Amino acid sequence: DSGVTQTPKHLITATGQRVTLRCSPRSGDLSVYWYQQSLDQGLQFLIQYYNGEERAKGNILERFSAQQFPDLHSELNLSSLELGDSALYFCASSVEVSGATDTQYFGPGTRLTVL
Amino acid sequence: EDQVTQSPEALRLQEGESSSLNCSYTVSGLRGLFWYRQDPGKGPEFLFTLYSAGEEKEKERLKATLTKKESFLHITAPKPEDSATYLCAVLGGSQGNLIFGKGTKLSVKP
Repeated sequence: DSGVTQTPKHLITATGQRVTLRCSPRSGDLSVYWYQQSLDQGLQFLIQYYNGEERAKGNILERFSAQQFPDLHSELNLSSLELGDSALYFCASSVEVSGATDTQYFGPGTRLTVL
Repeated sequence: EDQVTQSPEALRLQEGESSSLNCSYTVSGLRGLFWYRQDPGKGPEFLFTLYSAGEEKEKERLKATLTKKESFLHITAPKPEDSATYLCAVLGGSQGNLIFGKGTKLSVKP
């Protein structure tokens, strides 16, 4: 158990809908990262937050957004869902912001299925 | 562009048959190379971090090594419970996010 929690574990929804994925980082970690894993693409970085502020963006679609709250939990919002958004979504956390070599610990993931 | 390539894509071993997985990388200013283990439908589980060429780390039947261009994950006398996908990732430059390879799927048969 990495100490990172994610809910829900599974999510099934229809095209055009909006969903919210939730992540709680390990105790003491200030950085939260979101990754998407699909069969053909592997693990792709989406976005990073540090202590409530956006720090870095990767291949995140405009239909996706995220935020980190004062208690450091984070939510990833996916809207206008398409079939191709079906994937595993992972949250990871680490202690420090980029600039330090820091181990990221991953949560168990949320499996999103868009029908 | 930072890139990580893992080989082979899949590896089938008999229990006790030692082998190595390869991770080659191109990154500007390597700050760390990470190995993770991932079981189907689960999150990546951290194994090792390597920081500089020549560094080695061991954990049970696994040993990771690092050169300036690649890393190896050596598996000695594997057991069926070592079956998983092994992911390599690098942290470089001013980025905070990991760049992952596509992984090596290891199957160990009894």
